[in-house]
Amino acid sequence: EAGVVQSPRYKIIEKKQPVAFWCNPISGHNTLYWYLQNLGQGPELLIRYENEEAVDDSQLPKDRFSAERLKGVDSTLKIQPAELGDSAVYLCASSLSGRPDTQYFGPGTRLTVL
Amino acid sequence: QKEVEQDPGPLSVPEGAIVSLNCTYSNSAFQYFMWYRQYSRKGPELLMYTYSSGNKEDGRFTAQVDKSSKYISLFIRDSQPSDSATYLCAMSATGFQKLVFGTGTRLLVSP
Repeated sequence: EAGVVQSPRYKIIEKKQPVAFWCNPISGHNTLYWYLQNLGQGPELLIRYENEEAVDDSQLPKDRFSAERLKGVDSTLKIQPAELGDSAVYLCASSLSGRPDTQYFGPGTRLTVL
Repeated sequence: QKEVEQDPGPLSVPEGAIVSLNCTYSNSAFQYFMWYRQYSRKGPELLMYTYSSGNKEDGRFTAQVDKSSKYISLFIRDSQPSDSATYLCAMSATGFQKLVFGTGTRLLVSP
């Protein structure tokens, strides 16, 4: 069974440019998560989807970050405009609803903002 | 104060040693406890899952939860160089609430 797929794996952009990350979750997983991981830190939740609905986006900086999950499957996270402090790894994960023991992570997208 | 505290290490041990990794937490509502392993430039990988208190064993790995002390542990027996990674604890209050992660402990197992 395929795991969580993310692309691109690496992205280097200049500050003030837009950037987008894509995630394809494990088939059948209703819940999708986007996390931010800074160097030497644990992942921090940005947004959680149950099917198509964003049920927890309290940590998402809505002035520059946006996310969508079309048809309750794939998801895209966008930053516009990017700032230097956005350099981090962006992780996507998916799970069955209400089952944190089934949460699996993708390999992440490493973003560098110059 | 963070909800979940974890010593960042690094923790260096010789091959074959027993490793003890720990986290403390402040939120008494936490009931789901996970340990993840993360290799460099990879996503976290779920190792162990415990609901509420008690012990759970899986091969060389044992997870313990002491809710009275708000303390969880992961023990690795007969550690191998391939165990060298960062170990993250994570916990949540319910199955529908977000996981709160520790900072991770970097483990180095030398041959």
